[in-house]
Amino acid sequence: DAMVIQNPRYQVTQFGKPVTLSCSQTLNHNVMYWYQQKSSQAPKLLFHYYDKDFNNEADTPDNFQSRRPNTSFCFLDIRSPGLGDTAMYLCATSRGSAANTEAFFGQGTRLTVV
Amino acid sequence: GQQVMQIPQYQHVQEGEDFTTYCNSSTTLSNIQWYKQRPGGHPVFLIQLVKSGEVKKQKRLTFQFGEAKKNSSLHITATQTTDVGTYFCAGHSGGSNYKLTFGKGTLLTVNP
Repeated sequence: DAMVIQNPRYQVTQFGKPVTLSCSQTLNHNVMYWYQQKSSQAPKLLFHYYDKDFNNEADTPDNFQSRRPNTSFCFLDIRSPGLGDTAMYLCATSRGSAANTEAFFGQGTRLTVV
Repeated sequence: GQQVMQIPQYQHVQEGEDFTTYCNSSTTLSNIQWYKQRPGGHPVFLIQLVKSGEVKKQKRLTFQFGEAKKNSSLHITATQTTDVGTYFCAGHSGGSNYKLTFGKGTLLTVNP
């Protein structure tokens, strides 16, 4: 049973055309993360939420925005995608307790900017 | 900011040989986690280490957390072809900030 679901699995968008990636979870976890993973690289944290508290990484471009309207859903908006934004985008959740910070990942959205 | 380094970047072994990857954080960690990512897949949680000097085993995998809670290692005994993938450590900074920072990963390939 999928617990962290990302849609779409694959997305092709044109240079400069806004795109939204979505993530939903059935785990009722407090924390949701967005990572960008380029080919053969480590996941790079873009931002994360603890409930509605938003934490942006200092080096995340302004072009990347996020929304979390409720516990279950989180969105990644790329306002003007560039060719360098081609990557796998991974959503993950964790319970958000000191004792258990295991992250559960979705299958990712592979974004191609053309 | 917090940085997590991991070596080696690549490791190729013959099936049956042992494998070790090492992780080092620039700051003291609340805990460290290990993930495995198969080619084309997403990271899958393996284990979490919390205590200073902690050692945990999962079958042929042995995980260690350093005394200073800044370094960690994953050792696989007698590798199998099913062990192929990229192994990432991920450091958790603790407190009310649940930031999880990944190391660069070690890609393990196993020759049958």
